[in-house]
Amino acid sequence: DTGVSQNPRHKITKRGQNVTFRCDPISEHNRLYWYRQTLGQGPEFLTYFQNEAQLEKSRLLSDRFSAERPKGSFSTLEIQRTEQGDSAMYLCASSTGVADTQYFGPGTRLTVL
Amino acid sequence: ILNVEQSPQSLHVQEGDSTNFTCSFPSSNFYALHWYRWETAKSPEALFVMTLNGDEKKKGRISATLNTKEGYSYLYIKGSQPEDSATYLCALPGSARQLTFGSGTQLTVLP
Repeated sequence: DTGVSQNPRHKITKRGQNVTFRCDPISEHNRLYWYRQTLGQGPEFLTYFQNEAQLEKSRLLSDRFSAERPKGSFSTLEIQRTEQGDSAMYLCASSTGVADTQYFGPGTRLTVL
Repeated sequence: ILNVEQSPQSLHVQEGDSTNFTCSFPSSNFYALHWYRWETAKSPEALFVMTLNGDEKKKGRISATLNTKEGYSYLYIKGSQPEDSATYLCALPGSARQLTFGSGTQLTVLP
């Protein structure tokens, strides 16, 4: 399967714990996006990488959130000191610089107890 | 901040019925509109990218139209099947091509 993959698919954690999610984009895609989706809403943009450079961050991305994309390949999204309000589906998408269609992974569903 | 609205929020139809939903957006500074289908436990799937006023795109029984002057797009499904049950999302790209999504239309096709 050459699509976007995300791991883990589900994560249950206790409030205050740190969690890290991974996204593996389609191999030739230089752009990588993170979104968050909560019940009844569409996905909301969090941050964007072009190759290894993080070029834009939403104000939704508090200082407890950090994202990296070392070497412009896979990306990780870490949430420190999780809160119940962080419970959501975290989606990753990738695209090329030429075509703007974003291809999404299946998401990581985070539940904070 | 882009305001993208979708209606209805949810829809139940019988197998074989045709249906349509609406995506509304600001008509100024339009660049493109994306339609996605998101089935439970799967990845959102890109259906269409629409850029020109009057665009009409088709993929099997699904088609979409675009009116950039009045700021809306319609998605049509002809002869709905249970496998069409999903959430249909529209989205517009921002300056970094990050997508601003509507809240989606949740379609349930009853056999």
